[in-house]
Amino acid sequence: KAGVTQTPRYLIKTRGQQVTLSCSPISGHRSVSWYQQTPGQGLQFLFEYFSETQRNKGNFPGRFSGRQFSNSRSEMNVSTLELGDSALYLCASSSDGDLLEQYFGPGTRLTVT
Amino acid sequence: KQEVTQIPAALSVPEGENLVLNCSFTDSAIYNLQWFRQDPGKGLTSLLLIQSSQREQTSGRLNASLDKSSGRSTLYIAASQPGDSATYLCAVRSAGNQFYFGTGTSLTVIP
Repeated sequence: KAGVTQTPRYLIKTRGQQVTLSCSPISGHRSVSWYQQTPGQGLQFLFEYFSETQRNKGNFPGRFSGRQFSNSRSEMNVSTLELGDSALYLCASSSDGDLLEQYFGPGTRLTVT
Repeated sequence: KQEVTQIPAALSVPEGENLVLNCSFTDSAIYNLQWFRQDPGKGLTSLLLIQSSQREQTSGRLNASLDKSSGRSTLYIAASQPGDSATYLCAVRSAGNQFYFGTGTSLTVIP
């Protein structure tokens, strides 16, 4: 089975711009979660999508949004980028079963200048 | 809100040594606990998952234990190797289905 894939792997944007990141989960997984990782804050949960619906949301401003498509692929959008948005963005997928084990992608490194 | 803490923040050991990494959490109402390793600039690799009803899980040289009532988990690594050098993270899935990560332990195994 192919793992979780994320595109692009690296991105450089200017303050004020917007960005869209993509995540393809493991085949058969319907849950996709997004995380932001920074040296200062560590790994923080952004949101989780399950069957095209946002099931959980972390404590991030409304500039961070996401969606999930019928094939379970997910996108995350950040509008009006700030310097502090520079981070590694990770997505994880999990199956529906009892384990709910999360499998992570390699991440997208976003740099805002 | 769930808080997850990992001690120590960094650890350096000679090759071959057995070691223990610690993870503590404040709210015992968890669904499961997962240990990951992360290599620099990379994503997370799942090592072990322990359900809330379980006490431990083993995979090769790794053994993870869970004491839900005291809010603690340990990851035991036997006969450490330089390839084990990485950051180790624990994460708990709360009863509200949110995932909370610890701050991580950076491990260096010296050849």
